[in-house]
Amino acid sequence: ETGVTQSPTHLIKTRGQQVTLRCSSQSGHNTVSWYQQALGQGPQFIFQYYREEENGRGNFPPRFSGLQFPNYSSELNVNALELDDSALYLCASSFSGAPLREAFFGQGTRLTVV
Amino acid sequence: LAKTTQPISMDSYEGQEVNITCSHNNIATNDYITWYQQFPSQGPRFIIQGYKTKVTNEVASLFIPADRKSSTLSLPRVSLSDTAVYYCLVGVYNTDKLIFGTGTRLQVFP
Repeated sequence: ETGVTQSPTHLIKTRGQQVTLRCSSQSGHNTVSWYQQALGQGPQFIFQYYREEENGRGNFPPRFSGLQFPNYSSELNVNALELDDSALYLCASSFSGAPLREAFFGQGTRLTVV
Repeated sequence: LAKTTQPISMDSYEGQEVNITCSHNNIATNDYITWYQQFPSQGPRFIIQGYKTKVTNEVASLFIPADRKSSTLSLPRVSLSDTAVYYCLVGVYNTDKLIFGTGTRLQVFP
């Protein structure tokens, strides 16, 4: 158990729809990062939020957006879903500047776009 | 960020020692080497991190030669539950944006 919870665990959406995924960070953590993991691939960095501001972004289009709330929980929003968006979406919670060993991942949300 | 290269897959048997080598020729002076483990449908989990020479914890050892252009994760006496994907990452020490490769899929047989 990492203390990082994601919801929902599984989701099926239709191409063109919008989806919101949620992450509850571990207590005391002020940074959250989101990753996309396609089948058979390593996780790919989407973006990171620190104190409610985006703090770095990977190579993902603007239809991937996020929010971090004052309680440090976070949302990942994806608009205009495409079939290639089908993946496991992971969030990782940490305290800014802490060692990498103190970054904890949730179980992920499996998104299927049909 | 330094690119890493590791074997796509490895097989082993229970009780054996497994060594997974990662190549990172372009590692920078302030980069650390970190290994994560991932089971199916779960998020990655930190295993070990090092800068040089040898690091050991309760689950693994990490060997880093003097030139730091490679590193070897050593898992002593593996069990079936060690079947997972192992990722080698190279980057800064703190919680920066993690860059994962495709990892090494370890299969442990009885």
